[in-house]
Amino acid sequence: KAGVTQTPRYLIKTRGQQVTLSCSPISGHRSVSWYQQTPGQGLQFLFEYFSETQRNKGNFPGRFSGRQFSNSRSEMNVSTLELGDSALYLCASSLQYMNTEAFFGQGTRLTVV
Amino acid sequence: GENVEQHPSTLSVQEGDSAVIKCTYSDSASNYFPWYKQELGKRPQLIIDIRSNVGEKKDQRIAVTLNKTAKHFSLHITETQPEDSAVYFCAANSGGTSYGKLTFGQGTILTVHP
Repeated sequence: KAGVTQTPRYLIKTRGQQVTLSCSPISGHRSVSWYQQTPGQGLQFLFEYFSETQRNKGNFPGRFSGRQFSNSRSEMNVSTLELGDSALYLCASSLQYMNTEAFFGQGTRLTVV
Repeated sequence: GENVEQHPSTLSVQEGDSAVIKCTYSDSASNYFPWYKQELGKRPQLIIDIRSNVGEKKDQRIAVTLNKTAKHFSLHITETQPEDSAVYFCAANSGGTSYGKLTFGQGTILTVHP
């Protein structure tokens, strides 16, 4: 069974641009969560999607958004990029919503210059 | 919201020794507590988890204990090996309608010296 797949693996963008990251969960998994990892802030929850609906949202500005498709694949979008958005963005896949094991993808390393 | 504190931030042990990492959480409704291991440049990997209806869980050399009353849980690694060197994160889910949200501790850098 394939694991969680995130694309692209690396991105370099300039301030003010927008970016879209993609996550394909483990086959059969219906919940997808997104996390931002930085050396200073650690792992921080962005949002969670289940059945194409956002179930939870973390404390990030509205520039961060996401969606989930009917095949459970998810995308997250960051608009008007800032230098501080440079981070590793991790997607986690879970079988169901609520209280189940979450498996992470390799992440997308975003660098904003 | 949930707050998770993790200690120590760094831990250095000799091969064969035991290592213990401790976490506290704030949300009394939390009921799921996973531990992740992240090697340099790699994804966090789930190594063990515990739910609030049990007090201890073991898997070979690793074990996790949970004290719901005190709101703390710990990771125990016995007979440490150099390949155990990594960053370890504890996490707790949130209660209410936010069960799918994990709040992570700041991480512990474990170094096992041969």
